[in-house]
Amino acid sequence: AQTVTQSQPEMSVQEAETVTLSCTYDTSESDYYLFWYKQPPSRQMILVIRQEAYKQQNATENRFSVNFQKAAKSFSLKISDSQLGDAAMYFCVSNAGNMLTFGGGTRLMVKP
Amino acid sequence: GAGVSQSPRYKVAKRGQDVALRCDPISGHVSLFWYQQALGQGPEFLTYFQNEAQLDKSGLPSDRFFAERPEGSVSTLKIQRTQQEDSAVYLCASSRDRGYTEAFFGQGTRLTVV
Repeated sequence: AQTVTQSQPEMSVQEAETVTLSCTYDTSESDYYLFWYKQPPSRQMILVIRQEAYKQQNATENRFSVNFQKAAKSFSLKISDSQLGDAAMYFCVSNAGNMLTFGGGTRLMVKP
Repeated sequence: GAGVSQSPRYKVAKRGQDVALRCDPISGHVSLFWYQQALGQGPEFLTYFQNEAQLDKSGLPSDRFFAERPEGSVSTLKIQRTQQEDSAVYLCASSRDRGYTEAFFGQGTRLTVV
């Protein structure tokens, strides 16, 4: 069984500043992927960033980067230079086998 | 199509009515998944298909829920005798491979049972 925990139901950030969203997970699998998905009000789930568990190097995608701590089972998302369009629900997701397990989500608000 | 398409976008059903939700995955995608997302929560896994084979239906909450993908492309999620607790957004996702390298999601169907 997999579990994913996001301890921050809501976060707020000033435009152009940096924010970090937290996530911890638990899995018995040795081979797995971790993702951050963004869900705006349109409900369209959009992949933000992906991390393969066997890779030690933290993934980066433009303004988005992760801090992957495998031993601690921690997978946080850092958003730099926050933009108004970043406002959305963010879900931390683990994948092992054929099932994506979602965390409860963090609602990110961006203040102009 | 360019993305995963779900229809209808919104569905209001009277309690006890049967409903059918449709998912058109990205052409050529082998894997197809259904998720249920209650208001303010993360999506919960319902079922998984690899081509036309339903390999995992462990997340279906009751025998009123049934999913099919007869030709390995379009999938239908059917809910019989709907109840109020079935009200949620139903998300469909597809991926190219057997596993999850990246899953592409549709915009979901919001089901409201009254």
